[in-house]
Amino acid sequence: DVKVTQSSRYLVKRTGEKVFLECVQDMDHENMFWYRQDPGLGLRLIYFSYDVKMKEKGDIPEGYSVSREKKERFSLILESASTNQTSMYLCASSSVWVGAITGANVLTFGAGSRLTVL
Amino acid sequence: QKEVEQDPGPLSVPEGAIVSLNCTYSNSAFQYFMWYRQYSRKGPELLMYTYSSGNKEDGRFTAQVDKSSKYISLFIRDSQPSDSATYLCAMGDFGNEKLTFGTGTRLTIIP
Repeated sequence: DVKVTQSSRYLVKRTGEKVFLECVQDMDHENMFWYRQDPGLGLRLIYFSYDVKMKEKGDIPEGYSVSREKKERFSLILESASTNQTSMYLCASSSVWVGAITGANVLTFGAGSRLTVL
Repeated sequence: QKEVEQDPGPLSVPEGAIVSLNCTYSNSAFQYFMWYRQYSRKGPELLMYTYSSGNKEDGRFTAQVDKSSKYISLFIRDSQPSDSATYLCAMGDFGNEKLTFGTGTRLTIIP
């Protein structure tokens, strides 16, 4: 019954390393999102994509990039990881025509990837 | 000022108590309102959503929206230890893919 799968639950990386976080959804959703979640700050949107090869910056895109080559897959890339990128990263997907919730952007989240940058 | 304010807690109540979780918001463009529940080491999952002012019930849960006061609440009746989680409010407007989340309230139900 898994719908949004994040490839890595826990990662430990060193400062300056390139980091890839992968997310796959099996619901044929148009929209996909990357958030980071930090204590006291809640969920902050990094990037989202509303179609293949399309992307929009969220509230905190600095230091991140994304890739969406296929509808079901959305990758988050940290080109040069820094310690302030230590966080929980959550991927989500949505379709504005989901069931009876027409027009409402209901997100389905993955389990999260906890990244520690040393 | 944040668009959405949510008391972070933590909130601890005895089993069987009524729990009230609240969010205020400043953006009058928000048209729908949601509550997500997040268990430890898991992603958030949708608990309830509503479009209009008033109450919406689903079992032990009631979502309340007061658009005139820009205030939403989630009530949990007969609280159970399995309700222990972080609760996040979220809101958005139609045609906009982005949701705005509160910071979450961590709730513990004590057996």
